[in-house]
Amino acid sequence: SAVISQKPSRDICQRGTSLTIQCQVDSQVTMMFWYRQQPGQSLTLIATANQGSEATYESGFVIDKFPISRPNLTFSTLTVSNMSPEDSSIYLCSVHGTATNEKLFFGSGTQLSVL
Amino acid sequence: RKEVEQDPGPFNVPEGATVAFNCTYSNSASQSFFWYRQDCRKEPKLLMSVYSSGNEDGRFTAQLNRASQYISLLIRDSKLSDSATYLCAVNIVVGGSTLGRLYFGRGTQLTVWP
Repeated sequence: SAVISQKPSRDICQRGTSLTIQCQVDSQVTMMFWYRQQPGQSLTLIATANQGSEATYESGFVIDKFPISRPNLTFSTLTVSNMSPEDSSIYLCSVHGTATNEKLFFGSGTQLSVL
Repeated sequence: RKEVEQDPGPFNVPEGATVAFNCTYSNSASQSFFWYRQDCRKEPKLLMSVYSSGNEDGRFTAQLNRASQYISLLIRDSKLSDSATYLCAVNIVVGGSTLGRLYFGRGTQLTVWP
């Protein structure tokens, strides 16, 4: 499986500010996704990061709040904008290598706390 | 109705016990099913895929029942190291396409005690 590096691993932020999370993969991957895991909850898919085009957002998530970049096949960023305490969560980058292999592998996650 | 429903647990079992988790899914068009393990404050890690014929990996057995739309995970001879949260995952099908996206259950917490 690919090695996925995610940073920062954790951060504490003030409300109203923004945080950009980076995800670097050690090999080219077809699909990259961003998930959120709120305390005691399941993983919720935020969006699919598309290389060279706008991300595809799931219901309930919008680009203005969670802008995503994917400039190439090994890197993506997720920004959490204008943060509020409700954004406190773990954010996870995930990848799978081929279009036919739906096994997902996760980065180590970013623990975000918003005060 | 949630896309994936999972036994909430927690399950507390002694070493050596057999424990089973179930997970139901709502989209009959789903084709791919997985079990993940998540340790405290860690990312989920793939435990095993679930195939139609059922599959086994050591002490772990996964089964799929398409008619009833549920998947299960059986752990035999539980070890202390099995203590974790177990998440089921089902692919998201929209307009006949999955595009690799997965829905996850809420997770079932397992504690194995000596």
